[in-house]
Amino acid sequence: AQTVTQSQPEMSVQEAETVTLSCTYDTSESDYYLFWYKQPPSRQMILVIRQEAYKQQNATENRFSVNFQKAAKSFSLKISDSQLGDAAMYFCAYRIFTSGTYKYIFGTGTRLKVLA
Amino acid sequence: DTEVTQTPKHLVMGMTNKKSLKCEQHMGHRAMYWYKQKAKKPPELMFVYSYEKLSINESVPSRFSPECPNSSLLNLHLHALQPEDSALYLCASSQDPSSYNEQFFGPGTRLTVL
Repeated sequence: AQTVTQSQPEMSVQEAETVTLSCTYDTSESDYYLFWYKQPPSRQMILVIRQEAYKQQNATENRFSVNFQKAAKSFSLKISDSQLGDAAMYFCAYRIFTSGTYKYIFGTGTRLKVLA
Repeated sequence: DTEVTQTPKHLVMGMTNKKSLKCEQHMGHRAMYWYKQKAKKPPELMFVYSYEKLSINESVPSRFSPECPNSSLLNLHLHALQPEDSALYLCASSQDPSSYNEQFFGPGTRLTVL
């Protein structure tokens, strides 16, 4: 069964510093997609970054980048130059194909606090 | 328009009430999803509609009844709910059920069952 684990329930980072959020997953598939979603307090969930498993190159979106280690089944998110607006719940997600459609398996989330 | 809208934002209902949640998107997406999210927990998938047909039901109790009247609209009908059903209900959509594309989430309806 596919599972996604986020071992850090809460993290803090000083404004302008760098923080890394961890995510590990379990799968027997060879081709799949991984995502990081951000859910700010009382606001809707938005996609931060995604990674295709067949791509060796790590995805990057501005201040956000991932460290994708396929063999270790690890998918961590690095946030550089942290800003107050980065404070949110971050969910790692794995997408599986079942019953003719895709569905997401979410990790338990990491709450990120950004300190001024 | 890259937005998923949900109404109402908040809903309080008694255990004998019947109410409905509404979700709308005008991005031409053909897959729509209902999730339930308890506080400080990840979203839990409830239903998936693919081309207006129910493709996944994650063993959700029958007091929750989904409906997809057309490709832009998704409803969740609620009847005889329990207090433990109180949660944030999220709707999401994606371009195609079998595509690579991400899911876009709505802001949610915060439901309280008394």
